[in-house]
Parts: sequence; structure tokens; C-alpha cells
Amino acid sequence: QKEVEQDPGPLSVPEGAIVSLNCTYSNSAFQYFMWYRQYSRKGPELLMYTYSSGNKEDGRFTAQVDKSSKYISLFIRDSQPSDSATYLCAMSAGSNGNQFYFGTGTSLTVIP
Amino acid sequence: GAGVSQTPSNKVTEKGKYVELRCDPISGHTALYWYRQSLGQGPEFLIYFQGTGAADDSGLPNDRFFAVRPEGSVSTLKIQRTERGDSAVYLCASSDIAGGPGTQYFGPGTRLLVL
Repeated sequence: QKEVEQDPGPLSVPEGAIVSLNCTYSNSAFQYFMWYRQYSRKGPELLMYTYSSGNKEDGRFTAQVDKSSKYISLFIRDSQPSDSATYLCAMSAGSNGNQFYFGTGTSLTVIP
Repeated sequence: GAGVSQTPSNKVTEKGKYVELRCDPISGHTALYWYRQSLGQGPEFLIYFQGTGAADDSGLPNDRFFAVRPEGSVSTLKIQRTERGDSAVYLCASSDIAGGPGTQYFGPGTRLLVL
């Protein structure tokens, strides 16, 4: 079983829709939860970063962590064509010097 | 300021050859990570440097892979006797040790193709 599971999609939504992206994990030691956006032929770009359980909001993006269910989510409101990319979740057990465990990524297309 | 840079951006080599991939981290970042990303997959951890020393090399797949960071800045990932299965995007990331995961920035990657 992989440390982090993520549905690869692809996911296709109309512009303005709410997008929900999810990951599950098996390692209860994970405390730091990240969401990255990766455009084609580019490196991952950090979108959101959450410590432990709870919600975090940044503009159109909301990250949720439920440690009891080992489940994390990223919500994108009012999705835009420029949001079309691959979204990767990542997790680590510590704050510094700890390897990140990534999901496979979910490919998202927002149709104008 | 400049982000993480990686050279070359693309590398094509033949099976059995030796390759070196270079990473220039963000100035002042003491932590440096190498990851490998295969097509349709998320990045997989290879090695982590804190300063000049490899603090965690548990992700290196075998002894054909080696990485150095002699002066605590630029790092080179070295792959000996390349195999077709080594074909992937090799990503480098750096972070400020005081900032935690939220300050980890990735470079654009080197796309390695082994024929």
C-alpha cells in the first residue's frame, strides 16, 4: 500500500465550478500537509500548507485536514481556466529535513 | 530573486553512460532535496542535504546514484551506468531550515531520457 493515495483523474469542470481534490494516507505520523500545483513541464509550486488538523483558507483555495480519517482535501472556488494543472498532495512527519511523500497528482481541466 | 535552477533542462543519453545533473538552490537555503518524478506519478524522494552533508539518502534506489553538495550550495546528482528505467524528471528543491515545509521551493527539473 502506498503511503499517500490520490485519484489521478482526469477531472474536467466548467469555469466557475467548485473543485474538490482529495488524498488519503496511511501514516499517522504525518503532521504537515501540502498542496502543490504543477503545470506541464514545470516544477511543483506550493499552494497551501497546513499543520495538523483543521481548515486553512487562502483566496479561492481552502485546505482541509481530518487526521482522524487520514483524509485531506483542497477546494477551489470559482475555478478559472488558469487553474488547469496537475494538483499534488504531499505530507511529511516533521517540519524540517523530512522527506515529503507525494500523491500521484490529479489532472484538472477547467473549461471556459 | 532567482528561484531554484537546474541544468540541463533536458538530457538524452545512452544506456550505460554516466550523467550529472546540477541544482542551484535559492541563495541562503541550507536544505536541499532531490526527487525523481516518473510520468504520471508524484515526485519520489531521493536524498536530502543539510549544508554539505547528506542527512538522509534513504531514497536513492541503488548504488548507481550518488549526490554531492561540497560547499553547501550547488548540488550534483550523479548516475552511473544509466538504465532505461532511470528515465524521469529529476527535481531539486531547497528550503530555509527555519521555515519548514512552507518554504520549500522546487526547480523546473531535468528531463532525463535514457535510450
